[in-house]
Amino acid sequence: DVKVTQSSRYLVKRTGEKVFLECVQDMDHENMFWYRQDPGLGLRLIYFSYDVKMKEKGDIPEGYSVSREKKERFSLILESASTNQTSMYLCASRPGTSINQPQHFGDGTRLSIL
Amino acid sequence: GDSVTQMEGPVTLSEEAFLTINCTYTATGYPSLFWYVQYPGEGLQLLLKATKADDKGSNKGFEATYRKETTSFHLEKGSVQVSDSAVYFCALSGGAGGTSYGKLTFGQGTILTVHP
Repeated sequence: DVKVTQSSRYLVKRTGEKVFLECVQDMDHENMFWYRQDPGLGLRLIYFSYDVKMKEKGDIPEGYSVSREKKERFSLILESASTNQTSMYLCASRPGTSINQPQHFGDGTRLSIL
Repeated sequence: GDSVTQMEGPVTLSEEAFLTINCTYTATGYPSLFWYVQYPGEGLQLLLKATKADDKGSNKGFEATYRKETTSFHLEKGSVQVSDSAVYFCALSGGAGGTSYGKLTFGQGTILTVHP
């Protein structure tokens, strides 16, 4: 079974802090994704990566950056956290072979910015 | 761009009732379609998928048929259980502008609650 592990289930940070969310997958997948989930809005793509050191913006990249130094790890960075970034963050990975391959999700990190 | 619209929730049913959650999409090209489920406190799990027109995906008693003529992928189950209580998301990948990266476009999610 594919395992996608997010480092924290719950996180509380203060406005202006730099926040790191970590995600690790164990299936050698090429593609990795960061989404945020908000009630009534579904999941929205923040950034994704299709290879080590390669990244592309998703639909809502403002206020975020990402890092992928190793194939198994994909980090989401909130450069200066703000209260409107309070949300559930979900990481996902998938193999890069076909669009028909589903994404596999971690359990999520519920982030609160005070 | 691509978009997915799900029926408004929440949906509340009694055990053994019939379930339908409507999903329609907008995409050019030939997207793949997915239903994901999120149980309380967990991430999303793939429930079923369909990759071309008239395909039927099925899993755990749930079914959905890819209808290109109506751009729909409605989720159905003949007899729901309390354990089916969860949030259900319809999603697509690979519409116009899609790449092999498999980016997903999600609907807003439908909360299902099943009472004994």
